[in-house]
Amino acid sequence: DADVTQTPRNRITKTGKRIMLECSQTKGHDRMYWYRQDPGLGLRLIYYSFDVKDINKGEISDGYSVSRQAQAKFSLSLESAIPNQTALYFCATSDSLPTSGGGETQYFGPGTRLLVL
Amino acid sequence: QKEVEQNSGPLSVPEGAIASLNCTYSDRVSQSFFWYRQYSGKSPELIMSIYSNGDKEDGRFTAQLNKASQYVSLLIRDSQPSDSATYLCAVNRGSNYKLTFGKGTLLTVNP
Repeated sequence: DADVTQTPRNRITKTGKRIMLECSQTKGHDRMYWYRQDPGLGLRLIYYSFDVKDINKGEISDGYSVSRQAQAKFSLSLESAIPNQTALYFCATSDSLPTSGGGETQYFGPGTRLLVL
Repeated sequence: QKEVEQNSGPLSVPEGAIASLNCTYSDRVSQSFFWYRQYSGKSPELIMSIYSNGDKEDGRFTAQLNKASQYVSLLIRDSQPSDSATYLCAVNRGSNYKLTFGKGTLLTVNP
């Protein structure tokens, strides 16, 4: 089974609809992230959470909200979807315990492809 | 503004050649540097991390870091068609800071 899972994998919705993207992980990591990826713009951070009680805005949080329901679950909501939120969304996790050398690796889920009509 | 810059490419190399991917960053206090590989339609996966000046080798991959020049590179020796992907450079100040990604360089290895 995959360590980081995302549901749904693909979603088509209409402008104005509320949708939720879910992320679950079995890696035991305390840190979780939501990114969006657009052609030519790379990966941009939407929200991140360093533990269950910690939620932080990233570069592009407007129009999004998140919920950290448990250490293993981190959901992203689009309150009222708009077409320019059409993108590939990735969840990622990392472990706050320092690895050799001091850095930490982020592990990505398979992504959710969202189309807003 | 903290930024990570990469040439978007595409970078095209023949099979067996050395591919050289470059990345510059603006935040002088950056401490951790990562190279991720992303195949089309797939999620990024870590291939190298480097934290100290100099070279770090792992198989056909070598990461090079020069903090004074704010420059990190990835060399892929004996390039294979399976190396064709987008390579993302990522940087942060350390383990309590979020990662900043570059936009990626598309590498194509021609048989």
